[in-house]
Amino acid sequence: AQSVTQLGSHVSVSEGALVLLRCNYSSSVPPYLFWYVQYPNQGLQLLLKYTSAATLVKGINGFEAEFKKSETSFHLTKPSAHMSDAAEYFCAVSDFNNDMRFGAGTRLTVKP
Amino acid sequence: DADVTQTPRNRITKTGKRIMLECSQTKGHDRMYWYRQDPGLGLRLIYYSFDVKDINKGEISDGYSVSRQAQAKFSLSLESAIPNQTALYFCATSDFRASGTPDTQYFGPGTRLTVL
Repeated sequence: AQSVTQLGSHVSVSEGALVLLRCNYSSSVPPYLFWYVQYPNQGLQLLLKYTSAATLVKGINGFEAEFKKSETSFHLTKPSAHMSDAAEYFCAVSDFNNDMRFGAGTRLTVKP
Repeated sequence: DADVTQTPRNRITKTGKRIMLECSQTKGHDRMYWYRQDPGLGLRLIYYSFDVKDINKGEISDGYSVSRQAQAKFSLSLESAIPNQTALYFCATSDFRASGTPDTQYFGPGTRLTVL
């Protein structure tokens, strides 16, 4: 079965610093990969997705992720953190039938 | 108005009670999903439905049942609630017909369920 592992349950960065949230996947078929963000007391919303087109995927709010098949990774980055980026981030992998498996999540804290 | 709504938003119940959580969507999507979220475990899929007549078990379906009453409505039932079903429950929808590939899932605001 497919799965994702998010390295680091908590990440803390200073405002203006690089954000790097790590995600590794396991899948026996070409994966579809997603990053979602959850703000406090809200549901999840999509940041970006990879569906076998370009390996560098750009999302909303300045985030991007790169699909690296050789490393089975799909890390999320943002060059400069903003206070409003503080949230929980989930990496997810899906098969063709949309059976989506989520990682445990990484809580991002942004310090002023 | 929100595209995906869930009722109730909060519920406290006792062990052994039957509980129904409801989800409605106005997005016209064909697929609907129920997840539960637990701290440190992320979201886990309970059931999903491709259309009104197509219901599938997810990763953790034991102790739960679902009903797809119409394309826009998907309810989750706990026949006899137990304390370890205390969690945050999310409904989601996606539009497979439009893209033909696994597509973005749109989430409701969640229902916080506490079983005492």
